[in-house]
Amino acid sequence: GAGVSQSPSNKVTEKGKDVELRCDPISGHTALYWYRQSLGQGLEFLIYFQGNSAPDKSGLPSDRFSAERTGGSVSTLTIQRTQQEDSAVYLCASSAGETQYFGPGTRLLVL
Amino acid sequence: RKEVEQDPGPFNVPEGATVAFNCTYSNSASQSFFWYRQDCRKEPKLLMSVYSSGNEDGRFTAQLNRASQYISLLIRDSKLSDSATYLCVVIRNDYKLSFGAGTTVTVRA
Repeated sequence: GAGVSQSPSNKVTEKGKDVELRCDPISGHTALYWYRQSLGQGLEFLIYFQGNSAPDKSGLPSDRFSAERTGGSVSTLTIQRTQQEDSAVYLCASSAGETQYFGPGTRLLVL
Repeated sequence: RKEVEQDPGPFNVPEGATVAFNCTYSNSASQSFFWYRQDCRKEPKLLMSVYSSGNEDGRFTAQLNRASQYISLLIRDSKLSDSATYLCVVIRNDYKLSFGAGTTVTVRA
């Protein structure tokens, strides 16, 4: 069956521009997570959506970062006024229980 | 102190060797534990859950030590294909989830 998909797979942008990253979770999965992984580093939790509950935004590094999940399915992570330190792989995961299924990630490079 | 800590390694082992490493967690209210595997430039994938009684999946054995607050992963008869970064995941009883930074294992011929 279809897994978690993310788009774009790669994104190169200029410092100061806004970017939108998209995640399509596995159908029926109520939980959706966004993580960031810098080169050679572990996963940094960003935000968590669970059903219709208010999202857990405790991991967002600054107010330049925001995320939405429309209709309990697709999610968009938006980074405004990108900075070079935002360069990383942005991973999305969904789950129906405790096991998380990850998408392939979006590799963001801010020049 | 980080909520989940792992020895980053790398653990360089010859094929056929046994390699083991731990992951410590700081929150005693943690309730669920997992090992994920991440290959270079790929997304993490679930390797195995970790049960209180310990569990095996082929060449992989996972253990939980609640008293000392760590989990372990042991790989027997290492294969070249076992080369990867192994991520420890801990879920607290409030369902907050934390990933370790990973332990890198390199199996050489």
